[in-house]
Amino acid sequence: GEDVEQSLFLSVREGDSSVINCTYTDSSSTYLYWYKQEPGAGLQLLTYIFSNMDMKQDQRLTVLLNKKDKHLSLRIADTQTGDSAIYFCAESKLTGGGNKLTFGTGTQLKVEL
Amino acid sequence: DAGITQSPRHKVTETGTPVTLRCHQTENHRYMYWYRQDPGHGLRLIHYSYGVKDTDKGEVSDGYSVSRSKTEDFLLTLESATSSQTSVYFCAISESILAKNIQYFGAGTRLSVL
Repeated sequence: GEDVEQSLFLSVREGDSSVINCTYTDSSSTYLYWYKQEPGAGLQLLTYIFSNMDMKQDQRLTVLLNKKDKHLSLRIADTQTGDSAIYFCAESKLTGGGNKLTFGTGTQLKVEL
Repeated sequence: DAGITQSPRHKVTETGTPVTLRCHQTENHRYMYWYRQDPGHGLRLIHYSYGVKDTDKGEVSDGYSVSRSKTEDFLLTLESATSSQTSVYFCAISESILAKNIQYFGAGTRLSVL
């Protein structure tokens, strides 16, 4: 199958770190992405990682990639209420028509005071 | 939303009626996509376009057709809407699909089929 799996919900307290996990199925995926969706809005690209890397850091965001286990995670340091949103991981696979994205089901992050 | 406009933003229609959703971009990107978002399914690709008059099917294309007569416009048509097509529809664009395929999304169209 080509399912990209994520847990549905995550609740954290403001100031704590959040870790959102994703498992994908295709070991040939070239890039993996994290998107954020705020209520009533479209998806916004947060960050991405190339498949030959195992870590990428961008300010409060840290992406970890474990290719052996096909596991991707997004860590948000010092989580704020503005981080409350749905987070989608996506994998990019090379097909005859170029690189196509397959999205996970999304993880709803709730940040509590 | 990266120069992408979707219209209408909300629509309520009846079963059996035709519906057309429009995506307009000002970025001159070659690739355009239509997705639907449903609870428990994430985003699923309906159709995509790799140039003017060049389109192909995605994983959930049944009941949908698309057209692209200009670089900036990508239309999604439901020939005869059904209740199972009630969903939020997103248009996306990308500049290249040769390596990274970074897609930028519109704000979405919420469609209800009664």
